[in-house]
Amino acid sequence: EAGVTQFPSHSVIEKGQTVTLRCDPISGHDNLYWYRRVMGKEIKFLLHFVKESKQDESGMPNNRFLAERTGGTYSTLKVQPAELEDSGVYFCASSQDWANSPLHFGNGTRLTVT
Amino acid sequence: GESVGLHLPTLSVQEGDNSIINCAYSNSASDYFIWYKQESGKGPQFIIDIRSNMDKRQGQRVTVLLNKTVKHLSLQIAATQPGDSAVYFCAWNTGGSYIPTFGRGTSLIVHP
Repeated sequence: EAGVTQFPSHSVIEKGQTVTLRCDPISGHDNLYWYRRVMGKEIKFLLHFVKESKQDESGMPNNRFLAERTGGTYSTLKVQPAELEDSGVYFCASSQDWANSPLHFGNGTRLTVT
Repeated sequence: GESVGLHLPTLSVQEGDNSIINCAYSNSASDYFIWYKQESGKGPQFIIDIRSNMDKRQGQRVTVLLNKTVKHLSLQIAATQPGDSAVYFCAWNTGGSYIPTFGRGTSLIVHP
């Protein structure tokens, strides 16, 4: 089966610009998660979708971040306007079960805000 | 939250040695634990998991040990190979939340 795919793999933008990251989960996985790793620190949770619904968005840092999953398939994460501290690697993961099962991660999008 | 810096804890071993990577988790209600391996340029990959009703689980060349009394988790890699070089993360769910929380990560460097 195809794994979780993320696009783009790298993005360099200027402060104040907008960037949209895309994630295609493994087919059939209802659960989709966004995480990010900033400055080589821990991998931090951002939010969780079950199908098209936001189940938990407690990790979203502020209202400059908007995640969507229209139709319950792929998801997008938009940062608008981007700030320097948003630089990092954004990971998407999916799972079939909602609890106590390993997540399948994509290779991430490395975002650099200059 | 825990204090972290830019530099990960690093474990440096010789090829063929056994490696032990440790992790302290913070929530006594945690009931599911996972180890992930992250190679450069890739996302975390699942290695092995363990539930709180167990204290040991073995996979291929890997063993996870869970000590709930001191909230400690370890990953043992037997006969470490250069391909095992990566950053290793532990993660844990809690009884009340199914969202995995990640630990700090440990960089494993295997010298041929």
